[in-house]
Amino acid sequence: AQSVTQLDSQVPVFEEAPVELRCNYSSSVSVYLFWYVQYPNQGLQLLLKYLSGSTLVKGINGFEAEFNKSQTSFHLRKPSVHISDTAEYFCAVSDKYGGATNKLIFGTGTLLAVQP
Amino acid sequence: DGGITQSPKYLFRKEGQNVTLSCEQNLNHDAMYWYRQDPGQGLRLIYYSQIVNDFQKGDIAEGYSVSREKKESFPLTVTSAQKNPTAFYLCASSISGQGGTEAFFGQGTRLTVV
Repeated sequence: AQSVTQLDSQVPVFEEAPVELRCNYSSSVSVYLFWYVQYPNQGLQLLLKYLSGSTLVKGINGFEAEFNKSQTSFHLRKPSVHISDTAEYFCAVSDKYGGATNKLIFGTGTLLAVQP
Repeated sequence: DGGITQSPKYLFRKEGQNVTLSCEQNLNHDAMYWYRQDPGQGLRLIYYSQIVNDFQKGDIAEGYSVSREKKESFPLTVTSAQKNPTAFYLCASSISGQGGTEAFFGQGTRLTVV
């Protein structure tokens, strides 16, 4: 079974500063990795995903994430945040060899609070 | 515009009543999912369906039921057996049930049981 750990429940940061949101996963098999963003009272929107290939993945809104297999991590980064980036961010995994099953296992989320 | 529509956005029900949450998609996706979101707990999978007339239990299916009679629709019924039904419910769909495919989410339904 897979699990996802987002150790930081909240990350405060000043506008235009860099930010890193941490995600670690546990799995006995290879996985696909995702980052989703959720604005207040809305659904989730995909930021980026890692399926295979290059370990550095670029997503929307200037975000990127790096897959590190040895550390079982998939941290999300942005070099300069904006007020509009204030939202909750979820890391998720799905089993690469689960057959026709695209079940996502989510972390508990990290609230990114950008301050002026 | 293609997308997933959940209705209603807010729902209030008395304890002991069954309630059905609607989820419709016009993306022609085969797979659909229901998640429950509670503060500090992330999203947990309730039920999922990979094809019409077929669905499977997720991690927290007790007290919930679903149907998948049409490709576009995947309604969720919260029954009186669900001990703590107040939560934010999210419906999602993906082009197939294959791993790695992007899941598209609706705007959610916030259910409050009083």
